[in-house]
Amino acid sequence: DAGVIQSPRHEVTEMGQEVTLRCKPISGHNSLFWYRQTMMRGLELLIYFNNNVPIDDSGMPEDRFSAKMPNASFSTLKIQPSEPRDSAVYFCASSLKEGRYNEQFFGPGTRLTVL
Amino acid sequence: DAKTTQPNSMESNEEEPVHLPCNHSTISGTDYIHWYRQLPSQGPEYVIHGLTSNVNNRMASLAIAEDRKSSTLILHRATLRDAAVYYCILSTGTYKYIFGTGTRLKVLA
Repeated sequence: DAGVIQSPRHEVTEMGQEVTLRCKPISGHNSLFWYRQTMMRGLELLIYFNNNVPIDDSGMPEDRFSAKMPNASFSTLKIQPSEPRDSAVYFCASSLKEGRYNEQFFGPGTRLTVL
Repeated sequence: DAKTTQPNSMESNEEEPVHLPCNHSTISGTDYIHWYRQLPSQGPEYVIHGLTSNVNNRMASLAIAEDRKSSTLILHRATLRDAAVYYCILSTGTYKYIFGTGTRLKVLA
């Protein structure tokens, strides 16, 4: 298996532009997570999907952030409009099923720079 | 949410065992203890997890205190490839991981 796939790996954009990050979870996994990592705040959970349904979006910082999972093999995280403080590494992770003991598999991340 | 406390950094010599401590004094009875590590420029990867008993796998061992207020990740023979940030995490609820700041492990050749 190729693991969790994220694209793009790097994104540089200007303030005010729309940014879309993409994630393909591991086939057969039904839980998907979006995290953000910054030096100041570390790794934070933004949103969690189970069976393509958003279960917990309490970590989404603002209305500028939105996430979708139209099917079991694809998810997007969109920022519109982007701001310099959104610069971070965004990770997508997937898990076989919901449960506190289930391993989360992380993708390589997308490094976002907003100028 | 229950939180963990880890040293910011540790050093180890190559080929020697490493003991990475974690305090979680507010752990609840049903919280699992997970360890993940993050190699440079990569996403976190699973190392090991446990509930009450000590656990072993091919990567490491996890020793859990009897009162569960602390745990120790043991790497039996550190290699240069083990240099990473190690996170001790409590899973609160069915899915939520609270990542702390982790311990940056430096392995000396």
